[in-house]
Amino acid sequence: GDSVTQMEGPVTLSEEAFLTINCTYTATGYPSLFWYVQYPGEGLQLLLKATKADDKGSNKGFEATYRKETTSFHLEKGSVQVSDSAVYFCALSDRSGNTGKLIFGQGTTLQVKP
Amino acid sequence: DTGVSQNPRHKITKRGQNVTFRCDPISEHNRLYWYRQTLGQGPEFLTYFQNEAQLEKSRLLSDRFSAERPKGSFSTLEIQRTEQGDSAMYLCASSLQTGGNTEAFFGQGTRLTVV
Repeated sequence: GDSVTQMEGPVTLSEEAFLTINCTYTATGYPSLFWYVQYPGEGLQLLLKATKADDKGSNKGFEATYRKETTSFHLEKGSVQVSDSAVYFCALSDRSGNTGKLIFGQGTTLQVKP
Repeated sequence: DTGVSQNPRHKITKRGQNVTFRCDPISEHNRLYWYRQTLGQGPEFLTYFQNEAQLEKSRLLSDRFSAERPKGSFSTLEIQRTEQGDSAMYLCASSLQTGGNTEAFFGQGTRLTVV
Protein backbone atom coordinates (compact mmCIF):
# COMPACT_ATOMS: atom_id res chain seq x y z
CA GLY A 1 0.00 0.00 0.00
CA ASP A 2 0.90 3.66 -0.11
CA SER A 3 3.38 4.88 2.49
CA VAL A 4 5.47 7.86 3.56
CA THR A 5 8.92 7.75 5.16
CA GLN A 6 10.49 10.73 6.92
CA MET A 7 13.92 11.23 8.33
CA GLU A 8 14.10 10.46 12.00
CA GLY A 9 14.41 13.22 14.52
CA PRO A 10 14.85 15.08 16.58
CA VAL A 11 16.57 17.67 14.44
CA THR A 12 18.30 20.34 16.51
CA LEU A 13 19.48 23.52 14.82
CA SER A 14 20.67 26.94 15.81
CA GLU A 15 18.62 29.97 14.81
CA GLU A 16 19.23 31.06 11.19
CA ALA A 17 20.53 27.64 10.17
CA PHE A 18 19.37 25.90 6.98
CA LEU A 19 16.75 23.21 7.41
CA THR A 20 16.12 20.08 5.37
CA ILE A 21 13.70 17.36 6.44
CA ASN A 22 13.69 14.44 4.03
CA CYS A 23 10.49 12.76 2.92
CA THR A 24 10.05 9.95 0.41
CA TYR A 25 6.86 8.20 -0.59
CA THR A 26 5.54 5.04 -2.20
CA ALA A 27 2.28 5.28 -4.10
CA THR A 28 0.59 3.32 -6.85
CA GLY A 29 -1.28 6.33 -8.21
CA TYR A 30 -0.49 10.01 -8.59
CA PRO A 31 -0.71 11.44 -5.10
CA SER A 32 -0.93 14.95 -3.83
CA LEU A 33 1.79 15.68 -1.27
CA PHE A 34 1.58 17.74 1.89
CA TRP A 35 3.58 19.00 4.83
CA TYR A 36 1.67 19.49 8.07
CA VAL A 37 3.06 21.13 11.21
CA GLN A 38 2.04 20.56 14.81
CA TYR A 39 3.10 23.24 17.28
CA PRO A 40 3.15 22.31 20.97
CA GLY A 41 -0.39 22.02 22.34
CA GLU A 42 -2.02 22.70 18.97
CA GLY A 43 -3.67 20.72 16.20
CA LEU A 44 -2.14 19.79 12.87
CA GLN A 45 -1.96 22.68 10.40
CA LEU A 46 -1.34 22.48 6.70
CA LEU A 47 2.02 24.09 5.94
CA LEU A 48 2.24 23.57 2.18
CA LYS A 49 1.18 21.22 -0.59
CA ALA A 50 1.90 20.18 -4.17
CA THR A 51 -0.51 18.34 -6.40
CA LYS A 52 1.62 17.25 -9.37
CA ALA A 53 5.17 16.50 -10.38
CA ASP A 54 7.61 19.45 -10.34
CA ASP A 55 5.16 21.64 -8.42
CA LYS A 56 6.74 23.62 -5.61
CA GLY A 57 4.73 24.32 -2.49
CA SER A 58 5.77 27.23 -0.31
CA ASN A 59 4.57 29.01 2.81
CA LYS A 60 6.16 31.01 5.65
CA GLY A 61 9.63 30.60 4.12
CA PHE A 62 9.29 26.82 3.83
CA GLU A 63 9.48 25.11 0.43
CA ALA A 64 9.12 21.60 -0.94
CA THR A 65 9.26 20.36 -4.53
CA TYR A 66 7.33 17.32 -5.77
CA ARG A 67 9.99 15.08 -7.36
CA LYS A 68 8.36 12.18 -9.14
CA GLU A 69 11.66 10.69 -10.37
CA THR A 70 13.00 10.33 -6.82
CA THR A 71 9.55 10.00 -5.17
CA SER A 72 10.52 12.71 -2.73
CA PHE A 73 9.08 15.87 -1.19
CA HIS A 74 11.84 17.26 1.03
CA LEU A 75 11.03 20.25 3.24
CA GLU A 76 13.52 23.15 3.27
CA LYS A 77 13.87 26.53 4.92
CA GLY A 78 16.78 28.87 4.44
CA SER A 79 16.86 30.37 7.93
CA VAL A 80 14.97 28.80 10.82
CA GLN A 81 13.63 30.66 13.83
CA VAL A 82 12.97 29.51 17.37
CA SER A 83 9.25 29.79 16.59
CA ASP A 84 9.64 27.04 13.95
CA SER A 85 10.18 24.47 16.70
CA ALA A 86 7.44 21.90 16.14
CA VAL A 87 6.72 18.44 14.77
CA TYR A 88 6.57 18.24 10.98
CA PHE A 89 4.59 15.55 9.15
CA CYS A 90 4.86 14.64 5.49
CA ALA A 91 1.69 13.16 4.02
CA LEU A 92 0.15 11.99 0.77
CA SER A 93 -3.34 11.72 -0.55
CA ASP A 94 -4.12 9.40 -3.43
CA ARG A 95 -6.15 11.51 -5.81
CA SER A 96 -7.32 8.59 -7.94
CA GLY A 97 -9.52 7.23 -5.15
CA ASN A 98 -10.84 10.71 -4.42
CA THR A 99 -11.28 9.87 -0.75
CA GLY A 100 -9.13 12.72 0.54
CA LYS A 101 -7.71 10.47 3.23
CA LEU A 102 -4.14 11.23 4.23
CA ILE A 103 -1.27 8.83 4.81
CA PHE A 104 1.30 10.34 7.15
CA GLY A 105 4.94 9.77 7.88
CA GLN A 106 6.00 9.30 11.48
CA GLY A 107 6.85 12.95 12.02
CA THR A 108 10.11 14.80 12.58
CA THR A 109 10.63 16.95 15.65
CA LEU A 110 12.52 20.19 15.02
CA GLN A 111 14.14 22.08 17.88
CA VAL A 112 15.61 25.47 17.12
CA LYS A 113 17.90 26.97 19.74
CA PRO A 114 18.56 30.71 20.04
CA ASP B 1 -16.43 29.76 12.69
CA THR B 2 -13.65 28.68 15.02
CA GLY B 3 -12.50 25.61 13.11
CA VAL B 4 -12.84 21.94 13.96
CA SER B 5 -13.81 21.37 17.58
CA GLN B 6 -13.30 18.15 19.52
CA ASN B 7 -14.62 17.21 22.94
CA PRO B 8 -13.46 16.24 25.40
CA ARG B 9 -9.81 17.24 25.06
CA HIS B 10 -8.74 14.58 27.55
CA LYS B 11 -10.39 11.39 28.74
CA ILE B 12 -9.14 8.92 31.31
CA THR B 13 -11.11 5.73 31.57
CA LYS B 14 -10.81 2.31 33.14
CA ARG B 15 -10.24 -0.71 30.98
CA GLY B 16 -13.53 -2.23 29.88
CA GLN B 17 -15.51 1.02 29.97
CA ASN B 18 -17.12 2.62 26.93
CA VAL B 19 -16.13 6.10 25.78
CA THR B 20 -17.57 8.49 23.23
CA PHE B 21 -15.86 11.43 21.57
CA ARG B 22 -17.47 14.23 19.62
CA CYS B 23 -16.24 16.21 16.63
CA ASP B 24 -17.84 19.38 15.28
CA PRO B 25 -16.44 20.11 11.82
CA ILE B 26 -16.27 23.42 10.01
CA SER B 27 -19.90 24.09 9.19
CA GLU B 28 -19.94 23.93 5.40
CA HIS B 29 -17.55 20.97 5.15
CA ASN B 30 -19.07 17.83 3.67
CA ARG B 31 -16.27 15.43 4.57
CA LEU B 32 -15.23 14.36 8.05
CA TYR B 33 -12.30 12.11 8.95
CA TRP B 34 -11.17 10.32 12.08
CA TYR B 35 -7.51 9.49 12.69
CA ARG B 36 -5.61 7.93 15.56
CA GLN B 37 -2.14 9.06 16.61
CA THR B 38 0.05 7.17 19.05
CA LEU B 39 3.14 8.62 20.68
CA GLY B 40 5.97 9.23 18.25
CA GLN B 41 3.92 8.24 15.22
CA GLY B 42 2.00 10.04 12.53
CA PRO B 43 -1.79 9.99 12.43
CA GLU B 44 -3.38 6.82 11.02
CA PHE B 45 -6.64 6.92 9.10
CA LEU B 46 -9.63 5.28 10.79
CA THR B 47 -12.74 6.25 8.83
CA TYR B 48 -14.42 9.02 6.89
CA PHE B 49 -17.85 10.36 6.05
CA GLN B 50 -19.21 12.26 3.12
CA ASN B 51 -22.22 14.06 4.55
CA GLU B 52 -23.91 11.37 6.67
CA ALA B 53 -22.59 8.36 4.73
CA GLN B 54 -19.63 6.45 6.12
CA LEU B 55 -17.67 5.63 2.98
CA GLU B 56 -14.55 3.87 4.21
CA LYS B 57 -13.31 2.15 7.34
CA SER B 58 -9.73 1.15 8.03
CA ARG B 59 -8.80 -2.34 9.21
CA LEU B 60 -7.62 -0.53 12.35
CA LEU B 61 -11.27 0.08 13.22
CA SER B 62 -12.18 -3.10 15.09
CA ASP B 63 -15.79 -4.01 15.92
CA ARG B 64 -15.39 -2.25 19.25
CA PHE B 65 -15.20 1.05 17.38
CA SER B 66 -18.18 2.74 15.81
CA ALA B 67 -18.54 6.15 14.26
CA GLU B 68 -21.63 8.07 13.25
CA ARG B 69 -22.46 11.34 11.58
CA PRO B 70 -26.25 11.29 11.84
CA LYS B 71 -27.22 14.54 10.15
CA GLY B 72 -24.09 15.17 8.20
CA SER B 73 -22.88 17.69 10.75
CA PHE B 74 -21.15 16.59 13.98
CA SER B 75 -19.73 13.10 14.39
CA THR B 76 -19.20 10.75 17.31
CA LEU B 77 -16.64 8.02 17.74
CA GLU B 78 -17.46 5.38 20.33
CA ILE B 79 -15.08 2.78 21.68
CA GLN B 80 -16.66 -0.08 23.57
CA ARG B 81 -14.87 -2.24 26.15
CA THR B 82 -11.74 -0.09 26.02
CA GLU B 83 -8.32 -1.73 26.16
CA GLN B 84 -4.98 -0.25 27.14
CA GLY B 85 -3.93 -0.41 23.51
CA ASP B 86 -6.66 2.11 22.69
CA SER B 87 -4.71 4.82 24.51
CA ALA B 88 -3.92 7.41 21.86
CA MET B 89 -4.80 10.83 20.50
CA TYR B 90 -7.96 10.72 18.37
CA LEU B 91 -7.99 13.40 15.70
CA CYS B 92 -10.88 14.66 13.65
CA ALA B 93 -10.51 16.56 10.39
CA SER B 94 -12.97 18.08 7.95
CA SER B 95 -12.79 19.27 4.37
CA LEU B 96 -14.94 20.67 1.61
CA GLN B 97 -14.72 18.30 -1.29
CA THR B 98 -14.82 20.28 -4.54
CA GLY B 99 -13.34 18.57 -7.57
CA GLY B 100 -9.97 17.04 -6.78
CA ASN B 101 -8.53 19.70 -4.52
CA THR B 102 -9.20 19.49 -0.81
CA GLU B 103 -7.52 20.78 2.30
CA ALA B 104 -8.20 18.99 5.54
CA PHE B 105 -8.50 21.06 8.72
CA PHE B 106 -7.72 19.27 11.95
CA GLY B 107 -9.09 19.64 15.44
CA GLN B 108 -6.84 19.61 18.50
CA GLY B 109 -7.72 16.02 19.25
CA THR B 110 -9.01 14.00 22.19
CA ARG B 111 -6.32 12.29 24.23
CA LEU B 112 -7.56 8.97 25.59
CA THR B 113 -5.79 7.20 28.43
CA VAL B 114 -7.02 3.74 29.39
CA VAL B 115 -5.86 2.64 32.84
